[in-house]
Amino acid sequence: SYELTQAPSVSVSPGQTASIPCSGDNLGNKYTSWYQQKTGQSPVLVIYQDGTRPSGIPERFSGSSSGNTATLTISGTQAMDEADYYCQAWDSSTLVFGGGTKLTVL
Amino acid sequence: EVELLESGGGLIHPGGSLRLSCVASGFTFSSYAMTWVRQAPGKGLEWLSAIGGSGRDTSYATSVKGRLTISRDNSKNTLTLQMKNLGAEDTAVYYCAKYYYDILTSPNNWLDSWGPGTLVTVSP
Repeated sequence: SYELTQAPSVSVSPGQTASIPCSGDNLGNKYTSWYQQKTGQSPVLVIYQDGTRPSGIPERFSGSSSGNTATLTISGTQAMDEADYYCQAWDSSTLVFGGGTKLTVL
Repeated sequence: EVELLESGGGLIHPGGSLRLSCVASGFTFSSYAMTWVRQAPGKGLEWLSAIGGSGRDTSYATSVKGRLTISRDNSKNTLTLQMKNLGAEDTAVYYCAKYYYDILTSPNNWLDSWGPGTLVTVSP
C-alpha cells in the first residue's frame, strides 16, 4: 500500500520560515493536499492541488511538489501556526494521509 | 456556510457494533462525495471509507473492509457509518468530511470541510 512519510516534528522561531516535507513514491506526479490540526480541533484544509490556498487561508501558507517530495512552507511563522500538519494524496482510488508533523513555534 | 455534525459515539464493548451519523447543512448534500476519517488518541488521521453523491459508489480502506458499511440518505442530508466487531484498536475520534468534487476515483480531490468529530471508546 502507498505510504506518505513525514518527520514527527519541526521547530521554528517566530517570524522565520517553516518547511514541512512529505515524501512518497513519485509523489510529484500526484496531487498533494495539506491539513492543519490544532490541539482539540478538527483538521482544516490549508493547501490543495500541491500549492493552492483555499479562501481564508493566510498568504504565508504555500506548497510545492516535485519528485518524491511535497513541501508545505509557512513564511513569517506565527505562534498561532503551532499545530499538527498532515499531507494527503490519492493512490488506487483511496485517500492516504501522512503520519503528521508537529510544528512547534518557539 | 458548510456545517457537518457527527453523532452516535460513546462507549462500546469489544465485539459490539456502532452506527455513526453525520448531518450536513449549508450545501447541496447530494452533489458531493462524503467520507469518514478517524483518529486514534495521540495518533494520525486514518481514512476509512467514502461514498459518492448518489450513494451508488463506495470505497473502503483495506484495513477495515468487511467490517464497515457507509451509506447516505440524501432526503435527510445524512451520512452514516456502520461498523461491526469492534476492538480496542477502533477507539478513536470519527470525523465526517466533504469532498470538493463528487468523484471517488479522481486523484485530484480533497476534503474541504470537516465536522467536529465524535468519540468512540471500545472498552470492556
